[in-house]
Amino acid sequence: SYVLTQPPSVSVAPGKTARITCGGNNIGSKSVHWYQQKPGQAPVLVIYYDSDRPSGIPERFSGSNSGNTATLTISRVEAGDEADYYCQVWDSSSDQSVFGTGTKVTVL
Amino acid sequence: QVQLQESGPGLVKPSQTLSLTCTVSGGSINSGSYYWSWIRQPAGKGLEWIGRIYTSGSTNYNPSLKSRVTISVDTSKNQFSLKLSSVTAADTAVYYCARAPSGGPGTDWFDPWGQGTLVTVSS
Repeated sequence: SYVLTQPPSVSVAPGKTARITCGGNNIGSKSVHWYQQKPGQAPVLVIYYDSDRPSGIPERFSGSNSGNTATLTISRVEAGDEADYYCQVWDSSSDQSVFGTGTKVTVL
Repeated sequence: QVQLQESGPGLVKPSQTLSLTCTVSGGSINSGSYYWSWIRQPAGKGLEWIGRIYTSGSTNYNPSLKSRVTISVDTSKNQFSLKLSSVTAADTAVYYCARAPSGGPGTDWFDPWGQGTLVTVSS
């Protein structure tokens, strides 16, 4: 089945930029969605269709997708951005939704 | 604004069947074009998609769970349900229900999600 690989952790200082990658075979041909999950809470959609933001999500969150890597970028990181982040795609070859392994973002 | 709420037993014995229901409020489960999904997360681990149902009744399941999973919908109650049979301790997790658009390829993001419910498999 389709595998999405994320770095286990990313550390970033406040005000800097965090980049979270999601690797998958030819992922650029798929639509990638991203979720933020804070401890004890349900995931929240932060990016859909590779780079679109739902209403209420700050412009500091952006996404891109090309080749074998999709990237979630968080600009001007704030303490409140500390959370786990997951990428997700639909794998049409096996007709299932697949989540990435997850990345814990720590704000230093 | 549509909201989802999971309900069901928090404790299930090994080899028995886990049954959960997701109640949709703030809108009809029949309105619009949406898939209704179940997703789970063991403690300290990542998210695992279990399966989904369209209001027509068509389903897709995670191949790794397919032999044990049944998802159904009751439009009269604005609910959809999950049954997972022959459970073991490995099925202990927080179970979420979520909605996804069905507008075509790539339109399968999950939003909104229920708050999640912890199900423990133990004797």
